[in-house]
Amino acid sequence: GQNIDQPTEMTATEGAIVQINCTYQTSGFNGLFWYQQHAGEAPTFLSYNVLDGLEEKGRFSSFLSRSKGYSYLLLKELQMKDSASYLCAVPNQAGTALIFGKGTTLSVSS
Amino acid sequence: GAGVSQTPSNKVTEKGKYVELRCDPISGHTALYWYRQSLGQGPEFLIYFQGTGAADDSGLPNDRFFAVRPEGSVSTLKIQRTERGDSAVYLCASSLTPVRAGGETQYFGPGTRLLVL
Repeated sequence: GQNIDQPTEMTATEGAIVQINCTYQTSGFNGLFWYQQHAGEAPTFLSYNVLDGLEEKGRFSSFLSRSKGYSYLLLKELQMKDSASYLCAVPNQAGTALIFGKGTTLSVSS
Repeated sequence: GAGVSQTPSNKVTEKGKYVELRCDPISGHTALYWYRQSLGQGPEFLIYFQGTGAADDSGLPNDRFFAVRPEGSVSTLKIQRTERGDSAVYLCASSLTPVRAGGETQYFGPGTRLLVL
């Protein structure tokens, strides 16, 4: 089966750095996605990792370790607008859809 | 259009009624997905279309749920004899090629918020 775990909630202050972890169990592996979802809005794509290592994209970076079944999303120089839910997802075994974690709600305060 | 659109944005209905939810994917996207999202949860897969055919409907919870995509673009999710437990946000997504192609990004619509009273 497939399972994804991520913390339910995190808090941080403006300007800080936060790391959101995700562990997964899959039958086969075809990459890992991170999406951002503001309250009441659609999920929007942040990153995709298929090889081990860190991929940096502006203030956001995503890391993958396939041997450990582990990924994290690193957000630097936090801004209030980064308050949102962050969803970790992997393709299902059939490759027909994404399996999402429950999401981590990040609250950024001033 | 520029992105995935869904109508209506909100739908309130009574238990036992029939509802239809519409999704307009990004032009040229052959893959279309329906998900359902309850409060505090991630999106949960319902059905996947490649072109006009439902390539994977294993996520549909029961036979009250049905979806079509007759011309390979617009899709309609149909729910018969709605129940209070069907209340959720129904999200539609599309991608240029299927997820199995590797790394293919899914673009989500704003969702339809369904409330069954």
